[in-house]
Amino acid sequence: DTAVSQTPKYLVTQMGNDKSIKCEQNLGHDTMYWYKQDSKKFLKIMFSYNNKELIINETVPNRFSPKSPDKAHLNLHINSLELGDSAVYFCASSQGGRGRATYNEQFFGPGTRLTVL
Amino acid sequence: QKEVEQDPGPLSVPEGAIVSLNCTYSNSAFQYFMWYRQYSRKGPELLMYTYSSGNKEDGRFTAQVDKSSKYISLFIRDSQPSDSATYLCAMRSAGNMLTFGGGTRLMVKP
Repeated sequence: DTAVSQTPKYLVTQMGNDKSIKCEQNLGHDTMYWYKQDSKKFLKIMFSYNNKELIINETVPNRFSPKSPDKAHLNLHINSLELGDSAVYFCASSQGGRGRATYNEQFFGPGTRLTVL
Repeated sequence: QKEVEQDPGPLSVPEGAIVSLNCTYSNSAFQYFMWYRQYSRKGPELLMYTYSSGNKEDGRFTAQVDKSSKYISLFIRDSQPSDSATYLCAMRSAGNMLTFGGGTRLMVKP
């Protein structure tokens, strides 16, 4: 009955490779996110996506791209991996929440620990 | 300078102590203020959220927001070893993009 799940849990790869991380949510939410958490626990938004709009944090390199086959899935593709990409990547989801007057809780997955050698 | 600043700790307290966790921020557009708890090797989970200034209480947890000082706090009463975790403050303005602090690691010793 996991709400937000990610695969794989751990990913170790060589510099220059291309890899994907998968995310699925069974909460019926319409908005999904990807976050990066560095070694100092600093959690930073990368993308916000629903079926109408992709919002990209301007600091994210274009080697990173989200791909959504349907509302319940948002995968993260990373091309030409670099050492600095090593981090824990979290997927999250929420129902709507773009209006100022509303709050919609974001539910986080367990994370994918990526190590680039 | 980061938009949201949070002391990384670690903060070590004895069981039963009152814990005070704080964040400061620079963006006056933030309207929603959240506290997340993250256990080791797990994803963050929402503890509390507050809209605009004021206090909110939920059991042993109290969240305070002072927008005039751009300062938010989380108080934990009667702290328990199970409260040992990293506590992340987060804030939101328009849209649903959250800006997080760096987290404070809390250790409650029996």
